[in-house]
Amino acid sequence: DADVTQTPRNRITKTGKRIMLECSQTKGHDRMYWYRQDPGLGLRLIYYSFDVKDINKGEISDGYSVSRQAQAKFSLSLESAIPNQTALYFCATSGTGTYDNEQFFGPGTRLTVL
Amino acid sequence: QQQVKQSPQSLIVQKGGISIINCAYENTAFDYFPWYQQFPGKGPALLIAIRPDVSEKKEGRFTISFNKSAKQFSLHIMDSQPGDSATYFCAASIGNFGNEKLTFGTGTRLTIIP
Repeated sequence: DADVTQTPRNRITKTGKRIMLECSQTKGHDRMYWYRQDPGLGLRLIYYSFDVKDINKGEISDGYSVSRQAQAKFSLSLESAIPNQTALYFCATSGTGTYDNEQFFGPGTRLTVL
Repeated sequence: QQQVKQSPQSLIVQKGGISIINCAYENTAFDYFPWYQQFPGKGPALLIAIRPDVSEKKEGRFTISFNKSAKQFSLHIMDSQPGDSATYFCAASIGNFGNEKLTFGTGTRLTIIP
């Protein structure tokens, strides 16, 4: 199912380029998150947003920025990409008032910075 | 600073055997402990979760054991099957409504061999 979609799925870019990763969701959730996954490091939170007017830094926000254009859209930007930002990036969503706090993940974007 | 420590990093189990993955946490304010399962090329998906008011939760072949005093929790997969081969992440959060940032462990790559 395509409740949480990410574009592009794969991207190769060069050092210093500006990159935007996009996330859209049809789940009607208020809360959206951006994570990066690196081998041996697990999933680390970059930014999160609990509603359209709310943006918060996560564990590793340096070098990244985000935009919450609408309830359904949350974009992650790398202003000037560097090689150590090569990783798998995931967007996730969760609903308000859900006791079990389940997060629903997109399929991921594999980013390579040369 | 790794607030949720996960071991082992990789695990090979024979079909029909028991797979055990362990996690330890530091923040005593954590009160929600999910496990996520990730297949290659996919985003993580919630498998099972527990809150600290119980010591064990079972769903089919998957069981979480929770030890509050030791600040440890583990995932047990009984009668492991090749289809269980995936990467497993433990996580923790302060689970009150309005605060559901997940802190993930580093992941365990599980391989079930025939």
